[in-house]
Amino acid sequence: KAGVTQTPRYLIKTRGQQVTLSCSPISGHRSVSWYQQTPGQGLQFLFEYFSETQRNKGNFPGRFSGRQFSNSRSEMNVSTLELGDSALYLCASSQDSNTGELFFGEGSRLTVL
Amino acid sequence: AQSVTQPDIHITVSEGASLELRCNYSYGATPYLFWYVQSPGQGLQLLLKYFSGDTLVQGIKGFEAEFKRSQSSFNLRKPSVHWSDAAEYFCAVILTGGGADGLTFGKGTHLIIQP
Repeated sequence: KAGVTQTPRYLIKTRGQQVTLSCSPISGHRSVSWYQQTPGQGLQFLFEYFSETQRNKGNFPGRFSGRQFSNSRSEMNVSTLELGDSALYLCASSQDSNTGELFFGEGSRLTVL
Repeated sequence: AQSVTQPDIHITVSEGASLELRCNYSYGATPYLFWYVQSPGQGLQLLLKYFSGDTLVQGIKGFEAEFKRSQSSFNLRKPSVHWSDAAEYFCAVILTGGGADGLTFGKGTHLIIQP
């Protein structure tokens, strides 16, 4: 059974640009969650999608958005990039995120210059 | 607001020695509790979880954790560490039945294994 796949693994952007990250969950998982990981703030919850609907959202500005497609694949977008957006963005899938049992991808490492 | 504290940022243990990583949570009720591990350049992997029942839970890779309600703690243990256990360990909680804030993670403990 394939795991959670995130693309791209690494990317470099400049301030003001936008970025789209993709996540393919484990087959059969309908919930996809996104987390931001930085050395200073640690792991922070961005949002969660279930059956194409955003079910929960963390405390991030509106520049951070996401969506989920009918095949459960998910994308997140960050617009007007800032230096502080440099982070590892982790996607996690689950059958039911309410249990907290998440399966994480390896992440997309974003560097903003 | 719920919070998770991992008081040890770094821990160094000799290979073959026992290990205990500490985790305390602050919450109005007993949440679901987890330990995740992250190896360099990797995502997070679930080691073990506590929902209810027996307060000593077994996980993968020979790890176990004990839930102590009176101390709001969920410490991770392993009787004998291996060099491959070197990684970052995260304690996490979620509101029983799910939470609007997703998983709340501690800041992590970096485990270093000495030969």
